[in-house]
Amino acid sequence: GAGVSQSPSNKVTEKGKDVELRCDPISGHTALYWYRQSLGQGLEFLIYFQGNSAPDKSGLPSDRFSAERTGGSVSTLTIQRTQQEDSAVYLCASSSLAYSYNEQFFGPGTRLTVL
Amino acid sequence: DAKTTQPPSMDCAEGRAANLPCNHSTISGNEYVYWYRQIHSQGPQYIIHGLKNNETNEMASLIITEDRKSSTLILPHATLRDTAVYYCIVRVPGDNDMRFGAGTRLTVKP
Repeated sequence: GAGVSQSPSNKVTEKGKDVELRCDPISGHTALYWYRQSLGQGLEFLIYFQGNSAPDKSGLPSDRFSAERTGGSVSTLTIQRTQQEDSAVYLCASSSLAYSYNEQFFGPGTRLTVL
Repeated sequence: DAKTTQPPSMDCAEGRAANLPCNHSTISGNEYVYWYRQIHSQGPQYIIHGLKNNETNEMASLIITEDRKSSTLILPHATLRDTAVYYCIVRVPGDNDMRFGAGTRLTVKP
């Protein structure tokens, strides 16, 4: 079946511009996660959505970062007034709490480059 | 802070077993050990998980010490396609924040 998809796969933007990154989770998965991975680093948790509950935003690095999840499915991560340090691969993952161990399935990521 | 420590890199000969260690000395009773891997330019891929018993699936085996303070991921017959960064993570299933450390970069050589 279809996995997690993300778009665009690559995004180059100028410093100060806003960007939107999209994630389509696996159908039926109620949980959705955003992570950031800088070059050569491990993953950094950003935000988590679970059903209709309030999202866990504890990992967002600044108020320039925000995310929405509409209709419990597609999610958009928005970065306002981008900075060069925002350059990274942004990964989305989804999971179903039907799994006893809550395995997360990752998308291929969006590589963001801020010039 | 990641709750695990792993060697930064390892090499393995093609066809041989790759044994990847992980220390998680502060693991709590309800935390599981998960392993993921990330092949270059792809998202992380789930491999295996366990609580206290050894586990095996089609990809790998997971050996957890009796005190649960360390574990080893075993790829029984490594192939070139197993070259990747391998992440060991401890978490309670359902935790929002799966903290990945730097992982171990495994290079399988012909």
